Amino acid sequence: DTAVSQTPKYLVTQMGNDKSIKCEQNLGHDTMYWYKQDSKKFLKIMFSYNNKELIINETVPNRFSPKSPDKAHLNLHINSLELGDSAVYFCASSPGQNSGANVLTFGAGSRLTVL
Amino acid sequence: AQRVTQPEKLLSVFKGAPVELKCNYSYSGSPELFWYVQYSRQRLQLLLRHISRESIKGFTADLNKGETSFHLKKPFAQEEDSAMYYCALRGPGNTGKLIFGQGTTLQVKP
Repeated sequence: DTAVSQTPKYLVTQMGNDKSIKCEQNLGHDTMYWYKQDSKKFLKIMFSYNNKELIINETVPNRFSPKSPDKAHLNLHINSLELGDSAVYFCASSPGQNSGANVLTFGAGSRLTVL
Repeated sequence: AQRVTQPEKLLSVFKGAPVELKCNYSYSGSPELFWYVQYSRQRLQLLLRHISRESIKGFTADLNKGETSFHLKKPFAQEEDSAMYYCALRGPGNTGKLIFGQGTTLQVKP
């Protein structure tokens, strides 16, 4: 039983298209995150939601819009895709925001390639 | 500004040799530090955290506030230790945010 699952695993699309990546966790965690891993393997946080409420928005272009319909799901929608959006996007969850509950469980990643 | 630096992109050692993966941080408060590992074709997972003061798979890491370091060490490397290692710092406030270093690829040769 996968704890944090993301779909799709691979996504190849043209510049200018709109695409979504979905994430679900079955751990009962309150907090979910999106991280971006660039071509140099650098991992940077994009968004975080706690109980469906946005708590981190890390200067990401507004073409990226996260949506959390419930605390078990955090989806990422990207409008007008650009070449620089090509990356691996990781979803993660944690029990909460506080120290001691701050251990992240990651999904397997979604590799987005923009042509 | 909060920052995590892993100066080595790649560390290559022979099996049985000691390993030290360097991590330095910049943080004005009381830091909370982690090491995450990503084995080939597997997802990123927690290896250890400084508040637990534990040894996992033979790895240890000691927080040195004077040198602002949290280096990861293992006395005798095994081939199965080959992976990407990320040092991470818990960000300020109560957001749960982790700030990651650039990552170091550890390659253990037979």
